[in-house]
Amino acid sequence: EDQVTQSPEALRLQEGESSSLNCSYTVSGLRGLFWYRQDPGKGPEFLFTLYSAGEEKEKERLKATLTKKESFLHITAPKPEDSATYLCAVQTPWGAQKLVFGQGTRLTINP
Amino acid sequence: ETGVTQSPTHLIKTRGQQVTLRCSSQSGHNTVSWYQQALGQGPQFIFQYYREEENGRGNFPPRFSGLQFPNYSSELNVNALELDDSALYLCASSTQGGGEQFFGPGTRLTVL
Repeated sequence: EDQVTQSPEALRLQEGESSSLNCSYTVSGLRGLFWYRQDPGKGPEFLFTLYSAGEEKEKERLKATLTKKESFLHITAPKPEDSATYLCAVQTPWGAQKLVFGQGTRLTINP
Repeated sequence: ETGVTQSPTHLIKTRGQQVTLRCSSQSGHNTVSWYQQALGQGPQFIFQYYREEENGRGNFPPRFSGLQFPNYSSELNVNALELDDSALYLCASSTQGGGEQFFGPGTRLTVL
């Protein structure tokens, strides 16, 4: 069974304090790995897609990387507006193009 | 370009009732997926529709059913509501064969 585990469950940082979120996955085959940001009570907002090990994507203060077993979301010099839950999901090449999500990392940036 | 929209925003029902949730897909997208998100959890896949047919289903009972219309909009129906059905219901649209799924704002369902 495809599984995604995110760590830590919650992370509290000071403004400007860089860190990384982890997403470990076990799948029968990987079509893509996706990162989303979700604000409380709202739908997930698409951030990145990674398709193969070694791939990296960047957007403002965020950089996502991918290996064969895990992905990292690096946050450089975060600001309070980066506070949100970050979700990782995988998609396999077979059957419906469903996303299998981790439980998310709740990130809080204190000013 | 119009994003994914969902209605209603919030809904309160009692146990045993039936509910219909609606979703309009993003312009240019022909595939709609539905997810259930319990508080503090990641979204769980319910089912997906492509060309008005169910294209895959997660571990949800048959009382969860859906439709897709010729304009690619979709409905999620839940019969015989249970307390555990209380959750945020998310609709996501995509193109068939494509990876990225774009989510709507969700419908918050509370079952009393």
